[in-house]
Amino acid sequence: DQQVKQNSPSLSVQEGRISILNCDYTNSMFDYFLWYKKYPAEGPTFLISISSIKDKNEDGRFTVFLNKSAKHLSLHIVPSQPGDSAVYFCAASGSSGGSNYKLTFGKGTLLTVNP
Amino acid sequence: NAGVMQNPRHLVRRRGQEARLRCSPMKGHSHVYWYRQLPEEGLKFMVYLQKENIIDESGMPKERFSAEFPKEGPSILRIQQVVRGDSAAYFCASSPNSPYSNQPQHFGDGTRLSIL
Repeated sequence: DQQVKQNSPSLSVQEGRISILNCDYTNSMFDYFLWYKKYPAEGPTFLISISSIKDKNEDGRFTVFLNKSAKHLSLHIVPSQPGDSAVYFCAASGSSGGSNYKLTFGKGTLLTVNP
Repeated sequence: NAGVMQNPRHLVRRRGQEARLRCSPMKGHSHVYWYRQLPEEGLKFMVYLQKENIIDESGMPKERFSAEFPKEGPSILRIQQVVRGDSAAYFCASSPNSPYSNQPQHFGDGTRLSIL
C-alpha cells in the first residue's frame, strides 16, 4: 500500500521554463512534507519542506504548494536549470503516535532539464 | 552530503556472509535513522536510534538484521547470513534536535550492498 505516490516517473523541461513535480498522499495523518533531490550514487539532499498548517512555502527558485483537501502537493522550480536534473523524492511524516521521524517516500520523479 | 558519513560506499558479500554498514551522523546530531532503497523504489524506513537506544525498529526485518548506536563510535547496521534479496542501497540519516520538532533529516551517500 503506497501512501505517497509520485505518478510521473519522469519529466523533461526546457532550461528557463518552470518544472512542476507532483505528489499525492493517502494517509490523512501526514502533517509534514519534504522534497529531496538525489543525484546518481549520492544520498538524498533536503530541498524544502512544508507543514500542514501552511499551503505554500518558498525558498529561492523552489516553491512547494500543499492542498490538504486533495491530499496533493507540488514542487515548482522556476527558472529550471540543467543542474536541476536529478531524481526528486516527495516524503511525508505524521505526528500521530509520536512517529513524525518516520519518513514515507514516493518512488521519485526523474527531472531532466534540457539546455 | 559530506556531513553524514557512511562506509563503505560499496560492499560485496557472498550469500551467507555478514555485512556491516557504518554511519557517523553530522556533528551535533544525536538521532540516527536507517533507510533501504530497492531498485526502482523509494526509500523505506528501517530503524531509528539514539545513543545506546533503539527507539523504533518497526521497519527492520525480524530476522538477520540488527542495529546499534553505541555511546562511542558510529551507528552500525548489521545483516547476518545475507541473501540475494538484501542487495540494495542502505542510507543513513541524522537530525539534530528532537525529531518531534519537524527538523529535516540529512542523508549520507549510502552503502550499496551487492550479494553474489
